[in-house]
Amino acid sequence: DGGITQSPKYLFRKEGQNVTLSCEQNLNHDAMYWYRQDPGQGLRLIYYSQIVNDFQKGDIAEGYSVSREKKESFPLTVTSAQKNPTAFYLCASSIRQGGTYGYTFGSGTRLTVV
Amino acid sequence: GQSLEQPSEVTAVEGAIVQINCTYQTSGFYGLSWYQQHDGGAPTFLSYNGLDGLEETGRFSSFLSRSDSYGYLLLQELQMKDSASYFCAVDAGGYQKVTFGTGTKLQVIP
Repeated sequence: DGGITQSPKYLFRKEGQNVTLSCEQNLNHDAMYWYRQDPGQGLRLIYYSQIVNDFQKGDIAEGYSVSREKKESFPLTVTSAQKNPTAFYLCASSIRQGGTYGYTFGSGTRLTVV
Repeated sequence: GQSLEQPSEVTAVEGAIVQINCTYQTSGFYGLSWYQQHDGGAPTFLSYNGLDGLEETGRFSSFLSRSDSYGYLLLQELQMKDSASYFCAVDAGGYQKVTFGTGTKLQVIP
């Protein structure tokens, strides 16, 4: 079955560490996105990518970095510059731009700073 | 920018009907989407309204009034499994302009 796989499900980060969250899709979708979800808040866009080797900053990109070397993969690195990284991170993809066809989300990675 | 308002919590009885409202203010507008998210899970796409009116999908319906900048999600014949958070999302055009609301937590009680 097609879908989005995020790993790991839970991740613990020490202060000053960089960590990378994996996102892989086999839906043949062009567009991919990373969102952050905090309690009581909606989903906030971190980065998005329309095609391979191209990505754009979203609303809260500071302290994060991404790459899009393959259509199927869109990993997110949470750097030490992100001062409050504890959150639920969701990766999504869509067949084409806009919301018409909906986003398919992965099951998320819960990141905790220890 | 974009802003969306929806109630933070709603409680309804199993078998009943519930309506979750969403009002929005955007600099551009293409359509309104609805997503369901169970605790700890992934949001799942429910519906999209690009034009005024009602869209029906089984027990769920979604309505849009562009002139009022308003939409709602209607859930009929509520089941316990419908207990979840429901997000509206505005598509104002372009990849980065799908903005999500803060979500409405629906609790279905026996």
